[in-house]
Amino acid sequence: GQQLNQSPQSMFIQEGEDVSMNCTSSSIFNTWLWYKQDPGEGPVLLIALYKAGELTSNGRLTAQFGITRKDSFLNISASIPSDVGIYFCAGPERFGNEKLTFGTGTRLTIIP
Amino acid sequence: SAVISQKPSRDICQRGTSLTIQCQVDSQVTMMFWYRQQPGQSLTLIATANQGSEATYESGFVIDKFPISRPNLTFSTLTVSNMSPEDSSIYLCSVERDRPYEQYFGPGTRLTVT
Repeated sequence: GQQLNQSPQSMFIQEGEDVSMNCTSSSIFNTWLWYKQDPGEGPVLLIALYKAGELTSNGRLTAQFGITRKDSFLNISASIPSDVGIYFCAGPERFGNEKLTFGTGTRLTIIP
Repeated sequence: SAVISQKPSRDICQRGTSLTIQCQVDSQVTMMFWYRQQPGQSLTLIATANQGSEATYESGFVIDKFPISRPNLTFSTLTVSNMSPEDSSIYLCSVERDRPYEQYFGPGTRLTVT
């Protein structure tokens, strides 16, 4: 099946810094989803993208649907302690198929 | 979004036994999904459960090991049968709501098999 590779695998930043991460695929996606998972919790949907080139914000989070349709990006501005967690990208395996493929994840840690 | 609860939240089980995990949604949904998340890993889909039909299992997962019930539009169960330590994982249910492909997850069941 399709694989979604996320980069970086982990990040160590200081509070207040901006964060950038990306997700790449070997095939075209028609939808990109970004999730955040806190320790001991299920993933929470942050942003959904449905059109190539689309740029969508949710508070301090901004995600973009790459023009090639093979990648997506998530930015977090002015990071705060509650941003700590694992961020996953996800997308449907095939158009019209509700099954999602999840990325490898980016673990965000904030250094005090 | 959706409010999804899972029971139990965690359990420690002996090998060879079975555990049934419940997933309850606050409103009717057509599609429910069961995932496994092994320690430090991403999510892997086990099966898709639609009410009124047999669950559809992904490659590597079989009904004898992971039987699923979907008796109505707000509830589903996943059983992990004849457990081994390799089954130690977080098991998550999710539902598709609002817009296509947008899935909302329960809090997960953390299973440890000794």
